[in-house]
Amino acid sequence: DAGVIQSPRHEVTEMGQEVTLRCKPISGHDYLFWYRQTMMRGLELLIYFNNNVPIDDSGMPEDRFSAKMPNASFSTLKIQPSEPRDSAVYFCASSLFTLRHKEKLFFGSGTQLSVL
Amino acid sequence: QKEVEQNSGPLSVPEGAIASLNCTYSDRGSQSFFWYRQYSGKSPELIMSIYSNGDQEDGRFTAQLNKASQYVSLLIRDSQPSDSATYLCAVNRYGNKLVFGAGTILRVKS
Repeated sequence: DAGVIQSPRHEVTEMGQEVTLRCKPISGHDYLFWYRQTMMRGLELLIYFNNNVPIDDSGMPEDRFSAKMPNASFSTLKIQPSEPRDSAVYFCASSLFTLRHKEKLFFGSGTQLSVL
Repeated sequence: QKEVEQNSGPLSVPEGAIASLNCTYSDRGSQSFFWYRQYSGKSPELIMSIYSNGDQEDGRFTAQLNKASQYVSLLIRDSQPSDSATYLCAVNRYGNKLVFGAGTILRVKS
């Protein structure tokens, strides 16, 4: 398996523009997570899905952020409009719920977002 | 109070020594605990899981859990330069929701 695939790897945009980050989870995994990592705040959970359904979006910072999972193999995180404080590395992760390994997250390579 | 707290470091140890990394958590209802390793510019990867009080060993790594003190630790024996990374403590509060600490930077000097 290719692992969790994220695109793009790097995104540079100007303040006010729309940004869309994409994620393909590992085939067969039933949980998908979006995290954001900064030096100041560490790794923060933004939202997670179970079987394509959003379960907890309490970490989404504000209405400018939205996430969708239209099917089991694809998810997007959208920021509209973007602001400089959104600059961070955004990670997507997936996992398979089993009693033994339910919290073992497999992370993608991340998207480095810079908002100028 | 942060949900999961770690000393940011850096923690510097000589090659071959034992590195001791610590983590405290605030929610007494937390059920499962994890250590992830993150190399610079890379994504986190799971190295240890622990679910009950006591020690859990895997090769050179030992995770220790004390629920009464709300304390988790990671010991790395015979530290190697390749162990130099940021170590993230993660706690599952409920469901499948992992909360991460800010991480401790470990530097192993050869």
